[in-house]
Amino acid sequence: DAGITQSPRHKVTETGTPVTLRCHQTENHRYMYWYRQDPGHGLRLIHYSYGVKDTDKGEVSDGYSVSRSKTEDFLLTLESATSSQTSVYFCAISESLGRPGGNQPQHFGDGTRLSIL
Amino acid sequence: AQSVTQPDIHITVSEGASLELRCNYSYGATPYLFWYVQSPGQGLQLLLKYFSGDTLVQGIKGFEAEFKRSQSSFNLRKPSVHWSDAAEYFCAVVFSGNTPLVFGKGTRLSVIA
Repeated sequence: DAGITQSPRHKVTETGTPVTLRCHQTENHRYMYWYRQDPGHGLRLIHYSYGVKDTDKGEVSDGYSVSRSKTEDFLLTLESATSSQTSVYFCAISESLGRPGGNQPQHFGDGTRLSIL
Repeated sequence: AQSVTQPDIHITVSEGASLELRCNYSYGATPYLFWYVQSPGQGLQLLLKYFSGDTLVQGIKGFEAEFKRSQSSFNLRKPSVHWSDAAEYFCAVVFSGNTPLVFGKGTRLSVIA
């Protein structure tokens, strides 16, 4: 299995508090992604990164920020958590396949279950 | 809006029976197509992908998928299902260029003896 570690695996917090989720990879892959998974919605892209300090927004980026200061780490921050952000969060990675449509998630972490009360 | 439809929310098949999971997508041009599988409590694993060429694509775990442009479909098949195939399956599409994946809502597969 690809070396992707998400931390924490579970977290319960209160509305209005800041939350940071970490994704760490040992594959030296260029691309990293954050998704959220909710019943009836499948997976939706929050943010992604195509290199150190290079990030872009996904479909559901409002209320989230990201940072990538090292190739191996991609952080997702909820500046002020809301109950609508209760979800399971997945990190994914991919190496560049060098062609359109090729730079897509190849490997996923095991997820972080986040509950905001 | 660009969308991916998996019409079946839940499918139950007997072990050893054949399986077909349906996936349809909007948009006219040839997209890039993917199937992922998610076991309970785990992340997604890429089963197979289609970019171009032969429209019948082989993947891992004995799965295959066929791209049919005329039907805007990319259905996943397996000739004989094993109990370990019980999981949730997601179809995903890149509609143009290097835009991010759009996922379907998933189909949950149950396997009975």
